[in-house]
Amino acid sequence: ETGVTQTPRHLVMGMTNKKSLKCEQHLGHNAMYWYKQSAKKPLELMFVYNFKEQTENNSVPSRFSPECPNSSHLFLHLHTLQPEDSALYLCASSPEGLAGGLAKNIQYFGAGTRLSVL
Amino acid sequence: GESVGLHLPTLSVQEGDNSIINCAYSNSASDYFIWYKQESGKGPQFIIDIRSNMDKRQGQRVTVLLNKTVKHLSLQIAATQPGDSAVYFCAEMYTGNQFYFGTGTSLTVIP
Repeated sequence: ETGVTQTPRHLVMGMTNKKSLKCEQHLGHNAMYWYKQSAKKPLELMFVYNFKEQTENNSVPSRFSPECPNSSHLFLHLHTLQPEDSALYLCASSPEGLAGGLAKNIQYFGAGTRLSVL
Repeated sequence: GESVGLHLPTLSVQEGDNSIINCAYSNSASDYFIWYKQESGKGPQFIIDIRSNMDKRQGQRVTVLLNKTVKHLSLQIAATQPGDSAVYFCAEMYTGNQFYFGTGTSLTVIP
């Protein structure tokens, strides 16, 4: 167990559906991240939240909408997705955000949600 | 953007042998590097890190070597075990910016 829990583990949705991915960390960290992992591609950073404030949005389409109600929970709301959005979505947390000092940047990942868009 | 690449996408080793996984990075200003291990059905797991002011760092059965001259990073796993079978990623960071991940090397340990 890494201390970062993601639900659901698998999700199949149509292009007109609305769904949400949930991430919860039990590590007392202050920063949380969403990544997209596609086959044979590097991890793509989508969003960063530091102390509940969004600090990074790497040109992610608006059909992905993050929400961070507190430092322990992170959501990714999905609507009108495309088949090319099918991927493994990983959540991570770190003690502090990206500018918090090197050792505090180590990110701890959840197991991911395997998303299939039909 | 920066690119972090791996020389070989797959690597097969005999159980008990040592494994070496390589990573090339392109930003000479990168000052922090991490190796992650990702087993099937799991998220990446932190293995070891190294700062740019170091050439070598050792952990339990793992050693990371950094050659800043040629911008090359390697992960050495001693006495490789079946449980070491996974995809290994390197990630680089330069100060104040995000991590850039490589595509990963798939390590298969042959019993």
